[in-house]
Amino acid sequence: SAVISQKPSRDICQRGTSLTIQCQVDSQVTMMFWYRQQPGQSLTLIATANQGSEATYESGFVIDKFPISRPNLTFSTLTVSNMSPEDSSIYLCSVRHRGGDTQYFGPGTRLTVL
Amino acid sequence: SQQGEEDPQALSIQEGENATMNCSYKTSINNLQWYRQNSGRGLVHLILIRSNEREKHSGRLRVTLDTSKKSSSLLITASRAADTASYFCATSYQGAQKLVFGQGTRLTINP
Repeated sequence: SAVISQKPSRDICQRGTSLTIQCQVDSQVTMMFWYRQQPGQSLTLIATANQGSEATYESGFVIDKFPISRPNLTFSTLTVSNMSPEDSSIYLCSVRHRGGDTQYFGPGTRLTVL
Repeated sequence: SQQGEEDPQALSIQEGENATMNCSYKTSINNLQWYRQNSGRGLVHLILIRSNEREKHSGRLRVTLDTSKKSSSLLITASRAADTASYFCATSYQGAQKLVFGQGTRLTINP
């Protein structure tokens, strides 16, 4: 298993500002992912966070809007830039160990943009 | 879209009854995972079933997989109020690293 923490757990932000979400894992993991869950919806993958290189973004998501860092095997950040009310969502960090199939999720960050 | 579909979208039953949720997907998978989410919090991993498996059990949970029909079901027996949550299936497609989620089933257990 993996114990994942996210900071902040929730935030209320003003339109046009940016927020950086941190994800910390208690063990070294191969794969780290960032998901978005809009109100009442399912989860959508934003990007795969790659250690030491640029993240791999899914269709509809771009680096300028969602810059991601992953400096090592246990830590990643997701920034939501130039926020609008449409960015109000839960953002979840997810990890998978090398050679493992099970994917674990953090507690999520609930973001409200006014 | 590769996203799976779940049904029903919402299910309300009495405590003690069994709850069955279904998930369908579109292409060949490596595995299928079921998760629970309470009140918009993080996802709790329930069970993983691989493409070469047909059934798995974990406590009061039973998961089946029918690759010929591209479908899976999650059965919760003897439901409890604490089982009230949203349940999601997620598939790992062959040749891909990511999980693709279904729309989820919102389960309510009435005392």
